[in-house]
Amino acid sequence: DAGVTQSPTHLIKTRGQHVTLRCSPISGHKSVSWYQQVLGQGPQFIFQYYEKEERGRGNFPDRFSARQFPNYSSELNVNALLLGDSALYLCASSGGQGKTEAFFGQGTRLTVV
Amino acid sequence: AQRVTQPEKLLSVFKGAPVELKCNYSYSGSPELFWYVQYSRQRLQLLLRHISRESIKGFTADLNKGETSFHLKKPFAQEEDSAMYYCALSLYSGAGSYQLTFGKGTKLSVIP
Repeated sequence: DAGVTQSPTHLIKTRGQHVTLRCSPISGHKSVSWYQQVLGQGPQFIFQYYEKEERGRGNFPDRFSARQFPNYSSELNVNALLLGDSALYLCASSGGQGKTEAFFGQGTRLTVV
Repeated sequence: AQRVTQPEKLLSVFKGAPVELKCNYSYSGSPELFWYVQYSRQRLQLLLRHISRESIKGFTADLNKGETSFHLKKPFAQEEDSAMYYCALSLYSGAGSYQLTFGKGTKLSVIP
């Protein structure tokens, strides 16, 4: 099992552009969460999806959106990129329904210039 | 709102010395707490969860509800323990919904 996989690993975008980050959970896991980790800080919760429905949303602007597909993979979209969106974006999967151990991907490093 | 505080950004200890990484939390409900570790160039991984009450790689952590703390301890530090350590609190609200609130992390450096 490859674990949680994220793509791309690195990305450079210009202010105002849009970005899509992708995540494939561990096989059998139905819950996917997204976190933003700014340099020097701990991961900060953005979204959680379980069974293709949004189950939690962190304190992020509406420029951030996500969805989960029937195969439980997920996309995080960010519109109108700002310099402050530069961060490591982490995806985590878990079994859901009380199985709260989260398994993290290697992350996508987004740089906004 | 829930909060996790790790007061030390950096902790340096000599090999063989005891280690204690501090974590305090604020949460009005019944918390589920975790320690995650990130070794150099590796992904974030679970080290301990309080409900399992087990020792992993010699590390233990006890939940103290009176002091709202979940400190991570190891009696004898090893060089391979050098890493970034994050304390996290899980909010589970049923129907498959949960999220982790992380502290800012403590970088542990074990000096040979």
